[in-house]
Amino acid sequence: KQEVTQIPAALSVPEGENLVLNCSFTDSAIYNLQWFRQDPGKGLTSLLLIQSSQREQTSGRLNASLDKSSGRSTLYIAASQPGDSATYLCAVRPNSGYALNFGKGTSLLVTP
Amino acid sequence: GAVVSQHPSRVICKSGTSVKIECRSLDFQATTMFWYRQFPKQSLMLMATSNEGSKATYEQGVEKDKFLINHASLTLSTLTVTSAHPEDSSFYICSASSEGDTQYFGPGTRLTVL
Repeated sequence: KQEVTQIPAALSVPEGENLVLNCSFTDSAIYNLQWFRQDPGKGLTSLLLIQSSQREQTSGRLNASLDKSSGRSTLYIAASQPGDSATYLCAVRPNSGYALNFGKGTSLLVTP
Repeated sequence: GAVVSQHPSRVICKSGTSVKIECRSLDFQATTMFWYRQFPKQSLMLMATSNEGSKATYEQGVEKDKFLINHASLTLSTLTVTSAHPEDSSFYICSASSEGDTQYFGPGTRLTVL
């Protein structure tokens, strides 16, 4: 059974800092990996999707990397802003089936 | 982009009543819809997968007679929580995909059972 772990569970940084969120998964037989943002009491916003054949994806200040063989992904946020404060979820889709396996998320607080 | 809506966004009900939650794909046809549940400080957990016109496939530990799922059209799936109890209070999120493509998530429904 695929297990997805996110470290740290919570993170607080001052505005302007660069930061890295970590995601690890136990089964490397994945179809893709996706990073989401969730604001309190809200649904999910997809940030980046990395196919299993890819090593990284970039969107603006966000960069996600994938090392499938070691079961790891990182989400790098450059020049953090208070508006980046949210919970960031990592989810993997297995090779078989479409359902996503989610980590518990990292709660990020960026202070002005 | 693809938009998925959920209704209601928030519902409070008395213990023992049934609650229906709708999930709609607004600008695409969703051959598959997924229902997730999220408890506070916890991850999203898949409850069931439904394909249009077919019976839903439930994850282990999810009572199919308690959580009724209907996916009667390519744009609508409903989740009915029957005889709801306080332990069913949670955040329910649906997602929709077309032909196994990317999943698009709804905004979620906060259910509180008194």
